[in-house]
Amino acid sequence: NAGVTQTPKFQVLKTGQSMTLQCAQDMNHEYMSWYRQDPGMGLRLIHYSVGAGITDQGEVPNGYNVSRSTTEDFPLRLLSAAPSQTSVYFCASKKAGTGSTEAFFGQGTRLTVV
Amino acid sequence: AQTVTQSQPEMSVQEAETVTLSCTYDTSESDYYLFWYKQPPSRQMILVIRQEAYKQQNATENRFSVNFQKAAKSFSLKISDSQLGDAAMYFCAYRDGGATNKLIFGTGTLLAVQP
Repeated sequence: NAGVTQTPKFQVLKTGQSMTLQCAQDMNHEYMSWYRQDPGMGLRLIHYSVGAGITDQGEVPNGYNVSRSTTEDFPLRLLSAAPSQTSVYFCASKKAGTGSTEAFFGQGTRLTVV
Repeated sequence: AQTVTQSQPEMSVQEAETVTLSCTYDTSESDYYLFWYKQPPSRQMILVIRQEAYKQQNATENRFSVNFQKAAKSFSLKISDSQLGDAAMYFCAYRDGGATNKLIFGTGTLLAVQP
């Protein structure tokens, strides 16, 4: 069972470079989301999607783009990396709807922008 | 807007002892869910326990239990018979009962377990 797979696990970027963090899930979950984790701030929602073709902004969307062309994949794009985007990024997926169903998280990507 | 507060940045417990991690939240909703996640050094986010707001009975999962006080908006986690493998960062999280599916996290409590 692969669950939620994030690639890469580690990445170093130079300021101004662009890159895409990949996220794939094999559970046919409708809901997918991206969080960033910073020391002393917990996890904060960047963008989320409730299904293919539908995305929306979370709490801290600036500097990031997303798209959802398939149910399985939800990539996060950094258009022009800044040192403030140094963080650990988590992708999560969940079956849509109400209830206390569990969100499944990927292993995270540690991104450093120098 | 909903908020989640964890006022204990770090806690320490002796092996085999009991420890309680605190969490308070603020919401105007009546239907919501609360969660505790564990994050060991591997970075993996692991669901420890969940509580539905409409349930009065406190959730339990083996050595983990919660004290859910809805009126006080408090959701503490009790770990009994602490083990070395319990050492981790613990996050409290909130989710509305609607279809938003958004999780709102606290800032975390780093738990150390002393042998």
